[in-house]
Amino acid sequence: SQQGEEDPQALSIQEGENATMNCSYKTSINNLQWYRQNSGRGLVHLILIRSNEREKHSGRLRVTLDTSKKSSSLLITASRAADTASYFCATDAWGAQKLVFGQGTRLTINP
Amino acid sequence: DGGITQSPKYLFRKEGQNVTLSCEQNLNHDAMYWYRQDPGQGLRLIYYSQIVNDFQKGDIAEGYSVSREKKESFPLTVTSAQKNPTAFYLCASSKQKETQYFGPGTRLLVL
Repeated sequence: SQQGEEDPQALSIQEGENATMNCSYKTSINNLQWYRQNSGRGLVHLILIRSNEREKHSGRLRVTLDTSKKSSSLLITASRAADTASYFCATDAWGAQKLVFGQGTRLTINP
Repeated sequence: DGGITQSPKYLFRKEGQNVTLSCEQNLNHDAMYWYRQDPGQGLRLIYYSQIVNDFQKGDIAEGYSVSREKKESFPLTVTSAQKNPTAFYLCASSKQKETQYFGPGTRLLVL
């Protein structure tokens, strides 16, 4: 079964608004990562948050991690048309040898 | 330029034919991965390799084979045993379970 589950599956907002995506997982993790995928392209790493961190920022991105709830959120502030993409969380679980990716959230930014 | 490359961009397979997808990286990463992505879906792990001359099956290895004779290269063969090969194939590399760097992908279509 999938370790990471994103919510919502799809999100459509107006340019300039903030976008929030959530990721829930099932087992204890070493770190959680967020990736972006533009249509028909490979994934691009956005940010990594370790299990002992609660919040991390990178430009217009803000990631939070709540290990007690086994959940993470990705906030994109002041969205732009170029942010239109699918966003995936990936978890590095304790004892696992590989990352496990969720199903993704498809974000559409309307001009 | 450092990076990870995949070729070809598009590949057509005839029924009963084996085809090989290329993946090369010059990032000096030990670990390499192959994922399959179906339309609107997340990534599913096919095979991964943490070191030269060693590889492990992922979640959907049936009908696929790999080799890791060189650190830089991790080719994936889609065999005739894979009955539903049409998908987008992504290769990635990393320093173990840290950030994964993805190639641009190969889209495999069946004639």
